[in-house]
Amino acid sequence: SQQGEEDPQALSIQEGENATMNCSYKTSINNLQWYRQNSGRGLVHLILIRSNEREKHSGRLRVTLDTSKKSSSLLITASRAADTASYFCATDNSGYSTLTFGKGTMLLVSP
Amino acid sequence: DAGVIQSPWHEVTEMGQEVTLRCKPISGHDYLFWYRQTMMRGLELLIYFNNNVPIDDSGMPEDRFSAKMPNASFSTLKIQPSEPRDSAVYFCASSKLGWQDGNQPQHFGDGTRLSIL
Repeated sequence: SQQGEEDPQALSIQEGENATMNCSYKTSINNLQWYRQNSGRGLVHLILIRSNEREKHSGRLRVTLDTSKKSSSLLITASRAADTASYFCATDNSGYSTLTFGKGTMLLVSP
Repeated sequence: DAGVIQSPWHEVTEMGQEVTLRCKPISGHDYLFWYRQTMMRGLELLIYFNNNVPIDDSGMPEDRFSAKMPNASFSTLKIQPSEPRDSAVYFCASSKLGWQDGNQPQHFGDGTRLSIL
């Protein structure tokens, strides 16, 4: 079963706007990660946030984590056409070296 | 440093044929993962290795699927015999650290697009 579920499934915005994607999960985690997948390519790791962190920044990316609500959000500020991709959250599985991925949010940024 | 390398990028074959997918992980990475991605089911973990040893193959759908890692720089995923429902994109990923280290970003190859006719 899927641990992380992203919302919305698809998002269409204009260049320069901000994009927010959400992820909900079901069980306790050690960390949560966000990945990007461009069409025809593999997933690329963007950012990792640990369970004892509430917010993390990396360039135009801002990730928040609310463990009480079992949810995370990824904010991309000042989006660019090159940000067009699918974005996935992934949660670790305590006791195992594996991740469980959600089905992703497809982001389309129009020039 | 080179990333995870998968081959072939695209394979089309007829039902019943044997299919072999190949993966070269990033040098120095201890973990290797095989995933399958479909629109319906998303990204599913099939099997993973630690130091060339299979740790969990509970995601392998059927006995028709098998995976090996004969050394630290090479792994294969085989499907024999193949069926149309095996059509999907298969990804290999590797990582350096396990969960005990609390930091496990995975590095993905660009996948193999498999079409079984």
